[in-house]
Amino acid sequence: QVQLVQSESELKKPGASVRVSCKASGYTFTHYAINWVRQAPGQGLEWVGWINANGHPTYAQGFTGRFVFSLDTSLYTAYLQINSLKAEDTAIYFCARDSPQSCGGTSCFDYWGQGTLVTVSS
Amino acid sequence: QSVLTQPPSASGTPGQRVTISCSGSSSKIASYNVKWYQQLPGTAPKLLMYSNDQRPSGVPDRFSGSKSGTSASLAISGLQSEDEADYYCAAWDAGLNDWVFGGGTKVTVL
Repeated sequence: QVQLVQSESELKKPGASVRVSCKASGYTFTHYAINWVRQAPGQGLEWVGWINANGHPTYAQGFTGRFVFSLDTSLYTAYLQINSLKAEDTAIYFCARDSPQSCGGTSCFDYWGQGTLVTVSS
Repeated sequence: QSVLTQPPSASGTPGQRVTISCSGSSSKIASYNVKWYQQLPGTAPKLLMYSNDQRPSGVPDRFSGSKSGTSASLAISGLQSEDEADYYCAAWDAGLNDWVFGGGTKVTVL
Protein backbone atom coordinates (compact mmCIF):
# COMPACT_ATOMS: atom_id res chain seq x y z
CA GLN A 1 0.00 0.00 0.00
CA VAL A 2 1.07 3.58 -0.61
CA GLN A 3 2.83 5.15 2.35
CA LEU A 4 4.69 8.37 2.99
CA VAL A 5 6.74 8.25 6.19
CA GLN A 6 8.29 11.46 7.44
CA SER A 7 11.21 12.09 9.76
CA GLU A 8 10.82 12.81 13.45
CA SER A 9 10.20 16.17 15.13
CA GLU A 10 12.97 18.73 15.21
CA LEU A 11 13.86 21.48 17.68
CA LYS A 12 16.13 24.14 16.22
CA LYS A 13 17.48 27.54 17.16
CA PRO A 14 16.77 30.64 15.09
CA GLY A 15 19.22 30.94 12.21
CA ALA A 16 19.86 27.20 11.97
CA SER A 17 18.78 24.87 9.15
CA VAL A 18 16.56 21.80 9.21
CA ARG A 19 15.92 19.02 6.70
CA VAL A 20 12.68 17.06 6.75
CA SER A 21 12.50 13.78 4.86
CA CYS A 22 9.52 12.00 3.29
CA LYS A 23 10.13 8.36 2.34
CA ALA A 24 7.71 6.84 -0.15
CA SER A 25 6.78 3.21 -0.59
CA GLY A 26 4.13 1.17 -2.37
CA TYR A 27 4.29 2.98 -5.71
CA THR A 28 6.74 4.08 -8.40
CA PHE A 29 8.30 7.17 -6.86
CA THR A 30 9.41 8.69 -10.15
CA HIS A 31 5.87 8.77 -11.54
CA TYR A 32 4.43 11.30 -9.08
CA ALA A 33 5.20 14.78 -7.79
CA ILE A 34 5.44 15.58 -4.08
CA ASN A 35 3.83 18.61 -2.46
CA TRP A 36 4.71 20.21 0.86
CA VAL A 37 2.03 21.75 3.09
CA ARG A 38 2.54 23.67 6.33
CA GLN A 39 0.27 23.94 9.36
CA ALA A 40 1.23 26.43 12.07
CA PRO A 41 0.05 25.61 15.61
CA GLY A 42 -3.73 25.84 15.79
CA GLN A 43 -3.92 27.20 12.24
CA GLY A 44 -5.04 26.01 8.82
CA LEU A 45 -3.22 24.46 5.89
CA GLU A 46 -0.80 26.43 3.73
CA TRP A 47 0.79 25.19 0.50
CA VAL A 48 4.59 25.50 0.52
CA GLY A 49 5.18 24.20 -3.01
CA TRP A 50 5.93 21.06 -4.95
CA ILE A 51 8.68 19.15 -6.70
CA ASN A 52 7.90 17.23 -9.85
CA ALA A 53 9.08 13.72 -10.63
CA ASN A 54 12.04 15.13 -12.59
CA GLY A 55 13.21 17.07 -9.55
CA HIS A 56 12.10 20.52 -10.68
CA PRO A 57 10.82 22.53 -7.70
CA THR A 58 8.12 25.19 -7.59
CA TYR A 59 7.75 27.34 -4.49
CA ALA A 60 4.60 29.08 -3.34
CA GLN A 61 4.64 32.82 -2.90
CA GLY A 62 6.25 33.62 0.41
CA PHE A 63 8.35 30.47 0.37
CA THR A 64 11.12 31.43 -2.03
CA GLY A 65 14.71 31.82 -0.91
CA ARG A 66 14.93 29.86 2.36
CA PHE A 67 12.94 26.76 1.38
CA VAL A 68 14.57 24.09 -0.77
CA PHE A 69 12.99 20.91 -2.15
CA SER A 70 14.99 17.94 -3.41
CA LEU A 71 14.62 14.28 -4.30
CA ASP A 72 16.78 11.20 -3.91
CA THR A 73 15.17 8.80 -6.34
CA SER A 74 17.45 5.96 -5.30
CA LEU A 75 16.05 6.20 -1.78
CA TYR A 76 12.46 7.01 -2.83
CA THR A 77 12.75 10.06 -0.60
CA ALA A 78 11.79 13.72 -0.90
CA TYR A 79 13.36 16.41 1.25
CA LEU A 80 12.37 19.84 2.49
CA GLN A 81 15.22 21.99 3.77
CA ILE A 82 14.55 25.27 5.54
CA ASN A 83 17.50 27.61 6.01
CA SER A 84 17.90 30.60 8.33
CA LEU A 85 15.05 29.38 10.52
CA LYS A 86 12.74 31.90 12.15
CA ALA A 87 10.32 31.48 15.02
CA GLU A 88 7.42 31.85 12.58
CA ASP A 89 8.58 28.71 10.75
CA THR A 90 7.36 26.69 13.73
CA ALA A 91 4.76 24.37 12.25
CA ILE A 92 3.92 20.83 11.21
CA TYR A 93 5.18 20.16 7.70
CA PHE A 94 3.35 17.53 5.64
CA CYS A 95 4.42 15.91 2.40
CA ALA A 96 1.65 14.77 0.05
CA ARG A 97 1.63 12.84 -3.21
CA ASP A 98 0.21 14.65 -6.21
CA SER A 99 -1.97 12.25 -8.18
CA PRO A 100 -3.97 13.36 -11.21
CA GLN A 101 -4.36 9.65 -11.88
CA SER A 102 -6.51 9.35 -8.76
CA CYS A 103 -8.57 12.46 -9.41
CA GLY A 104 -9.90 12.25 -12.94
CA GLY A 105 -6.91 13.99 -14.48
CA THR A 106 -6.91 16.93 -12.08
CA SER A 107 -4.23 17.46 -9.48
CA CYS A 108 -5.00 16.34 -5.94
CA PHE A 109 -3.12 15.26 -2.84
CA ASP A 110 -4.19 11.64 -2.40
CA TYR A 111 -1.70 10.36 0.16
CA TRP A 112 -0.11 12.34 2.99
CA GLY A 113 2.78 11.80 5.34
CA GLN A 114 2.10 11.84 9.06
CA GLY A 115 3.68 15.29 9.44
CA THR A 116 6.90 16.55 11.01
CA LEU A 117 6.80 19.17 13.74
CA VAL A 118 9.56 21.74 13.39
CA THR A 119 9.95 23.96 16.44
CA VAL A 120 12.18 27.03 16.24
CA SER A 121 13.06 28.46 19.62
CA SER A 122 16.05 29.95 21.35
CA GLN B 1 -6.44 35.49 5.84
CA SER B 2 -7.42 32.77 3.34
CA VAL B 3 -8.53 33.67 -0.17
CA LEU B 4 -11.15 30.93 0.10
CA THR B 5 -13.67 31.71 2.81
CA GLN B 6 -15.16 29.03 5.02
CA PRO B 7 -17.22 29.39 8.19
CA PRO B 8 -14.99 28.66 11.19
CA SER B 9 -17.42 26.19 12.71
CA ALA B 10 -20.46 24.05 12.08
CA SER B 11 -22.29 21.59 14.27
CA GLY B 12 -25.12 19.11 14.35
CA THR B 13 -26.53 16.21 16.27
CA PRO B 14 -26.02 12.62 15.16
CA GLY B 15 -28.07 11.86 12.07
CA GLN B 16 -28.45 15.49 11.01
CA ARG B 17 -27.21 17.04 7.79
CA VAL B 18 -24.44 19.63 7.97
CA THR B 19 -23.33 21.82 5.09
CA ILE B 20 -20.02 23.70 4.82
CA SER B 21 -19.55 26.50 2.30
CA CYS B 22 -16.40 27.64 0.51
CA SER B 23 -16.52 30.91 -1.40
CA GLY B 24 -13.92 32.81 -3.35
CA SER B 25 -13.40 35.26 -6.18
CA SER B 26 -14.24 34.19 -9.71
CA SER B 27 -10.65 33.58 -10.75
CA LYS B 28 -10.14 31.13 -7.94
CA ILE B 29 -13.15 28.87 -7.96
CA ALA B 30 -15.40 29.42 -10.95
CA SER B 31 -13.11 27.80 -13.50
CA TYR B 32 -11.34 25.27 -11.34
CA ASN B 33 -12.13 22.05 -9.57
CA VAL B 34 -12.49 22.25 -5.81
CA LYS B 35 -11.05 19.63 -3.49
CA TRP B 36 -12.09 18.95 0.07
CA TYR B 37 -9.84 17.51 2.77
CA GLN B 38 -10.81 16.10 6.17
CA GLN B 39 -8.40 16.40 9.07
CA LEU B 40 -9.27 14.32 12.12
CA PRO B 41 -7.75 15.57 15.39
CA GLY B 42 -4.00 14.98 15.55
CA THR B 43 -3.76 13.38 12.12
CA ALA B 44 -2.77 14.29 8.58
CA PRO B 45 -5.40 15.58 6.16
CA LYS B 46 -7.25 13.07 3.98
CA LEU B 47 -8.67 13.63 0.51
CA LEU B 48 -12.45 13.64 0.81
CA MET B 49 -13.68 15.06 -2.50
CA TYR B 50 -12.17 16.01 -5.85
CA SER B 51 -13.49 17.67 -8.99
CA ASN B 52 -16.16 19.39 -6.86
CA ASP B 53 -18.34 16.33 -6.34
CA GLN B 54 -16.32 13.15 -6.82
CA ARG B 55 -15.55 10.86 -3.89
CA PRO B 56 -12.35 8.82 -3.82
CA SER B 57 -12.92 5.15 -3.19
CA GLY B 58 -13.51 4.43 0.47
CA VAL B 59 -15.19 7.75 1.27
CA PRO B 60 -18.75 7.09 2.49
CA ASP B 61 -21.58 8.37 0.33
CA ARG B 62 -22.78 10.41 3.32
CA PHE B 63 -20.33 12.98 2.01
CA SER B 64 -21.32 14.95 -1.07
CA GLY B 65 -19.93 17.98 -2.84
CA SER B 66 -21.25 20.62 -5.17
CA LYS B 67 -20.18 23.82 -6.86
CA SER B 68 -22.11 26.69 -8.33
CA GLY B 69 -20.33 29.69 -9.75
CA THR B 70 -17.88 30.99 -7.19
CA SER B 71 -19.11 28.87 -4.29
CA ALA B 72 -18.59 25.25 -3.39
CA SER B 73 -20.21 23.20 -0.65
CA LEU B 74 -19.58 20.01 1.25
CA ALA B 75 -22.53 18.25 2.82
CA ILE B 76 -22.44 15.53 5.45
CA SER B 77 -25.68 13.59 5.72
CA GLY B 78 -26.43 11.31 8.63
CA LEU B 79 -23.78 12.99 10.76
CA GLN B 80 -21.75 10.57 12.89
CA SER B 81 -19.44 11.13 15.83
CA GLU B 82 -16.43 10.09 13.74
CA ASP B 83 -17.12 13.00 11.39
CA GLU B 84 -15.92 15.43 14.06
CA ALA B 85 -12.94 17.01 12.31
CA ASP B 86 -11.62 20.05 10.48
CA TYR B 87 -12.63 20.35 6.83
CA TYR B 88 -10.69 22.36 4.25
CA CYS B 89 -11.56 23.33 0.71
CA ALA B 90 -8.75 23.87 -1.80
CA ALA B 91 -8.43 25.19 -5.32
CA TRP B 92 -5.70 26.19 -7.75
CA ASP B 93 -5.28 29.97 -7.97
CA ALA B 94 -4.22 30.72 -11.54
CA GLY B 95 -3.33 34.30 -10.62
CA LEU B 96 -0.93 33.30 -7.87
CA ASN B 97 0.07 30.00 -9.49
CA ASP B 98 -0.44 28.50 -6.07
CA TRP B 99 -2.75 26.05 -4.37
CA VAL B 100 -4.93 27.93 -1.90
CA PHE B 101 -6.81 26.48 1.04
CA GLY B 102 -9.82 27.77 2.88
CA GLY B 103 -9.33 28.63 6.53
CA GLY B 104 -10.99 25.40 7.61
CA THR B 105 -14.29 24.57 9.27
CA LYS B 106 -14.41 22.69 12.54
CA VAL B 107 -17.37 20.33 12.60
CA THR B 108 -18.63 19.39 16.05
CA VAL B 109 -21.07 16.57 16.69
CA LEU B 110 -23.26 17.61 19.60
